Amino acid sequence: EPEVTQTPSHQVTQMGQEVILRCVPISNHLYFYWYRQILGQKVEFLVSFYNNEISEKSEIFDDQFSVERPDGSNFTLKIRSTKLEDSAMYFCASRGAGTNSNQPQHFGDGTRLSIL
Amino acid sequence: AQSVTQPDIHITVSEGASLELRCNYSYGATPYLFWYVQSPGQGLQLLLKYFSGDTLVQGIKGFEAEFKRSQSSFNLRKPSVHWSDAAEYFCAVGAQDKLTFGGGTRVLVKP
Repeated sequence: EPEVTQTPSHQVTQMGQEVILRCVPISNHLYFYWYRQILGQKVEFLVSFYNNEISEKSEIFDDQFSVERPDGSNFTLKIRSTKLEDSAMYFCASRGAGTNSNQPQHFGDGTRLSIL
Repeated sequence: AQSVTQPDIHITVSEGASLELRCNYSYGATPYLFWYVQSPGQGLQLLLKYFSGDTLVQGIKGFEAEFKRSQSSFNLRKPSVHWSDAAEYFCAVGAQDKLTFGGGTRVLVKP
């Protein structure tokens, strides 16, 4: 069964540095997402992306964050000038075509980001 | 604003016993509802989904869930749990392409 792939599985970065989290969505999917889960807290929506632009973002997703689909297969989340509170598990998800949410989102295994 | 509540943080169940995980949601229209499972060190795997139609939905691994509009609930059930069902379970509501998750319920299975 096709799956969403995320790399790396664990990223350790010094505070203030930039980090790029990478995702390869399922190949025929058109909608892409990032979520995060701070340890002990809920999974939170960050951003959705469709047709090469952001379709919705949460208040968490400020100017520190950006997303990009640099080619036909990758979907990246960049965090500039990382802070301690950015430490979390970051999940990428994708879904196929369909109105609103009537196609389920499929999630990757996540990247655990640790900011030191 | 949409929200999801999973009242039980932990549930311990004996292997072979039945399991029910509670989920209550708040949403202004007909919700799209999901249950995901997360095993240790792994991502979120979709168990089942409700979009419309039959309010009792069947999922993978022998799970089912029932949508009750009058109670704003979407509880997950399994008649007989296996040791491999030990994991964390998340209920989610989706709208406008954004999923809102509950806090999760961690299920422990006793031999």
